[in-house]
Amino acid sequence: DAGVIQSPRHEVTEMGQEVTLRCKPISGHNSLFWYRQTMMRGLELLIYFNNNVPIDDSGMPEDRFSAKMPNASFSTLKIQPSEPRDSAVYFCASSLFDRSSLHFGNGTRLTVT
Amino acid sequence: DAKTTQPTSMDCAEGRAANLPCNHSTISGNEYVYWYRQIHSQGPQYIIHGLKNNETNEMASLIITEDRKSSTLILPHATLRDTAVYYCIVRDMTTDSWGKLQFGAGTQVVVTP
Repeated sequence: DAGVIQSPRHEVTEMGQEVTLRCKPISGHNSLFWYRQTMMRGLELLIYFNNNVPIDDSGMPEDRFSAKMPNASFSTLKIQPSEPRDSAVYFCASSLFDRSSLHFGNGTRLTVT
Repeated sequence: DAKTTQPTSMDCAEGRAANLPCNHSTISGNEYVYWYRQIHSQGPQYIIHGLKNNETNEMASLIITEDRKSSTLILPHATLRDTAVYYCIVRDMTTDSWGKLQFGAGTQVVVTP
């Protein structure tokens, strides 16, 4: 079991650029969650999917953020255009179904200058 | 409304048992108590969960009071690698998707030599 795999591990970009974060959930898991963590706000849920379908995106900050899950083994979180206030650690997590134990990746640390 | 209350921080000497309290006085009959921890620069990691009986695994023990209004996570022999933020979460496994829950601020545990 390779666990949840996120890439890149670190991303540094300039304001206005597009950023794409990637996640590969644990094989067989059918729920996937994207979180953002900052010192000020802690761990916040952005969006989650069941069976590749977005269920709740109310945590997505604004239209600059979008997430897709084209298949059961891959998801992306895109920010376009990026802003300095988007700097945070973004975590992806998966579970067998949305009520079983969550398994987190090691996150992508995003810095927007 | 926060469902759990945890101390902000606590210290523990290496090799000693670390006892982490969590108050969940409004817990309902179907809600489980979950514990996760987050080591610096990593994603949150599942530790243990329980409903009413005490639970033990290779990482920790979970002691839940008879009235279920509070619980204690016990790390029997703390090591420096146990330094982390520990989150206590209550959730109803039959109805509560992880998408509806908050992780809170947790307890920062520092294990000292």
